[in-house]
Amino acid sequence: DTEVTQTPKHLVMGMTNKKSLKCEQHMGHRAMYWYKQKAKKPPELMFVYSYEKLSINESVPSRFSPECPNSSLLNLHLHALQPEDSALYLCASSHDGQRYTGELFFGEGSRLTVL
Amino acid sequence: GENVEQHPSTLSVQEGDSAVIKCTYSDSASNYFPWYKQELGKRPQLIIDIRSNVGEKKDQRIAVTLNKTAKHFSLHITETQPEDSAVYFCAAIVIKTIFGAGTRLFVKA
Repeated sequence: DTEVTQTPKHLVMGMTNKKSLKCEQHMGHRAMYWYKQKAKKPPELMFVYSYEKLSINESVPSRFSPECPNSSLLNLHLHALQPEDSALYLCASSHDGQRYTGELFFGEGSRLTVL
Repeated sequence: GENVEQHPSTLSVQEGDSAVIKCTYSDSASNYFPWYKQELGKRPQLIIDIRSNVGEKKDQRIAVTLNKTAKHFSLHITETQPEDSAVYFCAAIVIKTIFGAGTRLFVKA
């Protein structure tokens, strides 16, 4: 299995809602990532988990809360988002959990719209 | 931190022609340089990568060159085909992956 699976594919939420994005991989990868991608822009790193521990937080607002329940799962909890948070949220994984080099395997993304 | 610049932002070529995309990076500690292709509505996927101890790498119609002294690397696509049309991102990694702004490649049949 060389897939990173993300759910849901599409999500519409109001600014007062609480929702979660989910990501799963079964490749035994030790690093997992959340990226945010706006239209016609490159993926922008949000968080990195290494061996199930948060290792990088790119100064992301606290309305985004990551969670790594186990080595295969990564969640992104969303609360009190703003319309400008609307974007494609990409989960990725990589084999190397220490130096983060090597191929990033991306999921298809969750397209989030905040009303 | 690392900064990656990518040019051109848009590239239009005739089918069968070659396409070249160039990137520069700022952090001399960067040691891994992947290229990702993202088709419309799809996920980014790795097409080729190069490490800092290698100057050139080729995979069929795709090649990447790296000049560590000048801190730049390039993607070369030969004999372009319509299915090569996509956005291409270069990236440099030291601790974390930093993407270039992307190049939108159009291959006209």
